[in-house]
Amino acid sequence: KAGVTQTPRYLIKTRGQQVTLSCSPISGHRSVSWYQQTPGQGLQFLFEYFSETQRNKGNFPGRFSGRQFSNSRSEMNVSTLELGDSALYLCASNMGSETQYFGPGTRLLVL
Amino acid sequence: EDQVTQSPEALRLQEGESSSLNCSYTVSGLRGLFWYRQDPGKGPEFLFTLYSAGEEKEKERLKATLTKKESFLHITAPKPEDSATYLCAVGNTGNQFYFGTGTSLTVIP
Repeated sequence: KAGVTQTPRYLIKTRGQQVTLSCSPISGHRSVSWYQQTPGQGLQFLFEYFSETQRNKGNFPGRFSGRQFSNSRSEMNVSTLELGDSALYLCASNMGSETQYFGPGTRLLVL
Repeated sequence: EDQVTQSPEALRLQEGESSSLNCSYTVSGLRGLFWYRQDPGKGPEFLFTLYSAGEEKEKERLKATLTKKESFLHITAPKPEDSATYLCAVGNTGNQFYFGTGTSLTVIP
């Protein structure tokens, strides 16, 4: 069974731009969560989608948004990028409430 | 508030020198406690899920245990390839997950 895939793997953007990241979960998994990982903060929860509905949300500004499609694929968008948004963005999927399986991440660098 | 604290932040071991990593947690309603391994620049790799106090799971040189307040990841006779950051997380009954900041393990040949 294929694992969680994320695209693109690397991105370089400038301040003020926006970016969209994509995540394809493991087949059959209906829940997709997004995390931001930085050296100082560790993994910070962004949001979770289940069956196209946002089920949980972390403490991030409204510039961070997401959505999930009917095939469970998910996208997250960051608008008006700031230098502090540079991070590894991780997507994880699970069946609904159990073990999460992570993708390889998207490394975002904001200049 | 649900939270996870891992210690130590970093650990250096000689090859073959066994040790334990600690994960202390507070959670409103535990659905599961999870251990992951993360190599630099990669996504976390799932190791174990523990559901109730007293439960233990093993995989090769790793053994995870769980009490009502903490979990331990025991590493027996580690090898250099065990070098990585080990992350602990809890899932609560609200389907939320909280991660610790990890323990960076270095195993010296």
